[in-house]
Amino acid sequence: DVKVTQSSRYLVKRTGEKVFLECVQDMDHENMFWYRQDPGLGLRLIYFSYDVKMKEKGDIPEGYSVSREKKERFSLILESASTNQTSMYLCASSLGGRVNEQFFGPGTRLTVL
Amino acid sequence: GDSVTQMEGPVTLSEEAFLTINCTYTATGYPSLFWYVQYPGEGLQLLLKATKADDKGSNKGFEATYRKETTSFHLEKGSVQVSDSAVYFCALFHGSGNTGKLIFGQGTTLQVKP
Repeated sequence: DVKVTQSSRYLVKRTGEKVFLECVQDMDHENMFWYRQDPGLGLRLIYFSYDVKMKEKGDIPEGYSVSREKKERFSLILESASTNQTSMYLCASSLGGRVNEQFFGPGTRLTVL
Repeated sequence: GDSVTQMEGPVTLSEEAFLTINCTYTATGYPSLFWYVQYPGEGLQLLLKATKADDKGSNKGFEATYRKETTSFHLEKGSVQVSDSAVYFCALFHGSGNTGKLIFGQGTTLQVKP
């Protein structure tokens, strides 16, 4: 079975802290994605990666960075967390190709105080 | 740019009622279309998909038909159950290989009461 795991289900951090969200997939997928989910806004793409050490900005990259040192792992970094980054963060992966079905992790609910 | 619009929620139905959740899209060319479902406390799961005009995707009693002439991909189910209570997202994928991305609608919450 396809599996995407995220390091934490719930996380509480303080303003200004550096925050790491980890995502691991066991499907040997090429592509990995980070989204944030907010009520009424659906999912918005933050960053994605189509290969090790490669990254592309999504629709809302400001305030975030990413790292992909290994194929199975994609990290989202909040350099200096702010209260407007309180959200649900979802990681996904896909094999690649035209259909590009994405498989999602369970999400990390981040609260920044 | 490409976009997806879903009907506003929440949608509240009684068990065994008929469900329709509207989804329309704006895109150039022929995107692939998807419905994802998010059960409480979980990530998104693919519910069904269609890759070309007039294709019908179906799964777990849900259906959606890719209508190019109306740029729509409405989700339907003949008889909903309490266990169908979830948030439903319509999405399109446009592009090829690693240069495309999924674009999601804002999500529609479905509540089914016994």
